[in-house]
Amino acid sequence: GENVEQHPSTLSVQEGDSAVIKCTYSDSASNYFPWYKQELGKRPQLIIDIRSNVGEKKDQRIAVTLNKTAKHFSLHITETQPEDSAVYFCAASNPHNTDKLIFGTGTRLQVFP
Amino acid sequence: DAGVTQSPTHLIKTRGQQVTLRCSPKSGHDTVSWYQQALGQGPQFIFQYYEEEERQRGNFPDRFSGHQFPNYSSELNVNALLLGDSALYLCASTTTLNTEAFFGQGTRLTVV
Repeated sequence: GENVEQHPSTLSVQEGDSAVIKCTYSDSASNYFPWYKQELGKRPQLIIDIRSNVGEKKDQRIAVTLNKTAKHFSLHITETQPEDSAVYFCAASNPHNTDKLIFGTGTRLQVFP
Repeated sequence: DAGVTQSPTHLIKTRGQQVTLRCSPKSGHDTVSWYQQALGQGPQFIFQYYEEEERQRGNFPDRFSGHQFPNYSSELNVNALLLGDSALYLCASTTTLNTEAFFGQGTRLTVV
């Protein structure tokens, strides 16, 4: 069935270091891959997304890469700041399957000052 | 421009009771999806409504049902509540032209 695996489950970094979160998806027809940031008690918020016709996308300190052959995609955060601390979720969707999002299990990122 | 709004924000129910959760999509959005997020887990797709009909359903029992109104707002109903139904219920809205999903703040349901 459809599945998205996400690693690591927790990640601790020093302020200013980089953080990388990796996801693998199972449905080869997936073509949309968003990343959400969820702070404690708040709604998931989209921070960046990528579509299957693009290999990499950047937005300031955040970048996402996609390897369709391996069915892997990754989130890269550079120059981390304490306010980056949150739970990050990757997701995948298949446009032929009503765009429902299949989420990973989440990564708790802690950035220490 | 109001985003996705959900009500109520918190709810406590007893096992066996029924509950109705409500969602108003972002202005201009016509598709509403519901997700269940258990503590420490990623959101799990329950179902999606478009043009007032359930378009797709995830792996949830028939105790979970929904409705979409002509103004695109939606309700999630859960019957015969179980302790395991305790979770954050998230509503997300999209349009047929754009897959970017906007989430509401969720309804925290506690079943005791």
